[in-house]
Amino acid sequence: EVQLLESAGGLVQPGGSLRLSCAASGFIFSSHAMSWVRQAPGKGLEWVSTISGGGGDTYYADSVKGRFTISRDNSKYTLYLQMNSLRAEDTAVYYCAKELSSGWLYFPHWGQGTLVTVSS
Amino acid sequence: DIVMTQSPGSLAVSLGERATINCKSSQSVLYSSNNKNCLAWYQQKPGQPPNLLIYWASTRESGVPDRFSGSGSGTDFTLTISSLQAEDVAVYYCQQYYSNPPTFGQGTKVEIK
Repeated sequence: EVQLLESAGGLVQPGGSLRLSCAASGFIFSSHAMSWVRQAPGKGLEWVSTISGGGGDTYYADSVKGRFTISRDNSKYTLYLQMNSLRAEDTAVYYCAKELSSGWLYFPHWGQGTLVTVSS
Repeated sequence: DIVMTQSPGSLAVSLGERATINCKSSQSVLYSSNNKNCLAWYQQKPGQPPNLLIYWASTRESGVPDRFSGSGSGTDFTLTISSLQAEDVAVYYCQQYYSNPPTFGQGTKVEIK
């Protein structure tokens, strides 16, 4: 059974940094692209970033480009999102998500999500 | 970026009745190499992550009840719940995965009338 477990988020001041992690199990981690998708309180879903199975290719939403970095450690079955220069508008529940296969970015598997609050 | 527009924003349907949600993309999401539409539907209940219902516009995910069906092609798509059950109260999102970035519709809230 696929399981995705995000680390705890938290309260961060504007301009601050936070690293999220997502521990994966139940599948061959290195064979699948992984993504982060976020949802601001009471709002819809927004794709944030994707990393290829091998880690060599990364993609970002314009809203986070240059501030967020996605990475993975395939030996630890763990996905990361380093978030720097955080803004109030980054406040959201952050989900890690797994594609089904073949690089098509729809998501059958999601973590439970972790809340990141950016506020002074 | 491809913009996904859902309608209506919310709808109230009686138990056992049909619910229909529309999704329109700003450009075609039909992938010519496999003649499939790169369109997915999700259900999200409060406090839960989204749950994939449909992909390739009309392929039901394993375990999804057959009262959920997807249709459409090109730029216009529909999610139909043929006989609304109480457990179907949720927000529904469409998503295109034809091109980067993948984009979601704004959501449609389904309630019981």
